[in-house]
Amino acid sequence: NAGVTQTPKFRILKIGQSMTLQCTQDMNHNYMYWYRQDPGMGLKLIYYSVGAGITDKGEVPNGYNVSRSTTEDFPLRLELAAPSQTSVYFCASRPSAYEQYFGPGTRLTVT
Amino acid sequence: AQSVTQLDSQVPVFEEAPVELRCNYSSSVSVYLFWYVQYPNQGLQLLLKYLSGSTLVESINGFEAEFNKSQTSFHLRKPSVHISDTAEYFCAVSDRSNDYKLSFGAGTTVTVRA
Repeated sequence: NAGVTQTPKFRILKIGQSMTLQCTQDMNHNYMYWYRQDPGMGLKLIYYSVGAGITDKGEVPNGYNVSRSTTEDFPLRLELAAPSQTSVYFCASRPSAYEQYFGPGTRLTVT
Repeated sequence: AQSVTQLDSQVPVFEEAPVELRCNYSSSVSVYLFWYVQYPNQGLQLLLKYLSGSTLVESINGFEAEFNKSQTSFHLRKPSVHISDTAEYFCAVSDRSNDYKLSFGAGTTVTVRA
């Protein structure tokens, strides 16, 4: 199993541009999550999904959108990039309860 | 609502010395507790977890953590660190009331020096 994969690994965006961060898991997990990690702040939950077709907001959803059309994929969309969205983004999944499995992250810079 | 406090943001330590990373949490219900490790420029990996049973849990690379319900703590320890333990460590908590979503502490950066 590849586990949780994320693309791209790095990206630089100009203010106002849009992009989609891709996340795929091959473990047939129902639950998937998007986090952002900022220095000294830990991880903050952006959006999550409990299964295909079901998504919900986390702590910091403003400026982002998600969709979950399949069990495997959970893309994160930034519509109008802002400097405040410069961060490292992690996708994670979990089967039912207990621990989450994390992808390697996407480092995004908005200038 | 849950919250997690990691009491030390930076912990410098010499190789082969012991280290303790402190974590306190707040929750009104029974919790699951986790320590994740993040090596430089990598994602988070589960180090160890407490779900139930014995309050002392161990990892395969020599770390251990003890769940203390009365003090609402889950401190992480290693009796002798290696250079390769240099990383950021995150404490996290989840519970049933929040559908097992993880709440993370701010992280502790451990730097091991020779």
